[in-house]
Amino acid sequence: LAKTTQPISMDSYEGQEVNITCSHNNIATNDYITWYQQFPSQGPRFIIQGYKTKVTNEVASLFIPADRKSSTLSLPRVSLSDTAVYYCLVPPGDSSYKLIFGSGTRLLVRP
Amino acid sequence: DVKVTQSSRYLVKRTGEKVFLECVQDMDHENMFWYRQDPGLGLRLIYFSYDVKMKEKGDIPEGYSVSREKKERFSLILESASTNQTSMYLCASSFHRQGRGYTFGSGTRLTVV
Repeated sequence: LAKTTQPISMDSYEGQEVNITCSHNNIATNDYITWYQQFPSQGPRFIIQGYKTKVTNEVASLFIPADRKSSTLSLPRVSLSDTAVYYCLVPPGDSSYKLIFGSGTRLLVRP
Repeated sequence: DVKVTQSSRYLVKRTGEKVFLECVQDMDHENMFWYRQDPGLGLRLIYFSYDVKMKEKGDIPEGYSVSREKKERFSLILESASTNQTSMYLCASSFHRQGRGYTFGSGTRLTVV
């Protein structure tokens, strides 16, 4: 089954760019990579999804190399309100509809 | 605005009680999910359903059951609540298999005393 590995925590300062890398060595050929954000006492919220190369939206960019065994979520010029847990997800590879969440990356943005 | 609504934000129940957690979505999604979240353990899948009256076990189904009688409603049942079921419970729904468009509720923080 596909599994993701990402850093447990990261620290940054306001205005900096933050890059969170996730490895997913067993990702299936047709599967997408999805990132979610979770604030304390709230449910996770979809940020971005991609299949290959680069995807950008109003919140973040997602970089995926050609081998697709990893991906990097890039948050430009973070603010204090970006302090949250970020989850990288890929489908488990068993054709099911479930999503398996790892422990995520706890990002702390300091003033 | 699309929504997943969980019936209670906070619940306190006694050990041995039967507990019902309700979740309703207004997006006509086929798939619905129940997760629990505990410090240091992330989100763990309890049960999910991909159609009315269909259910599949997730990673930690023991001590739980579910009911999906209508498309928009997915209920999690704790048959006999125990203190180790004290947790944050999150309901989600989705249309896509690929993980996009999962919408989560705000969660129910259940305390079993």
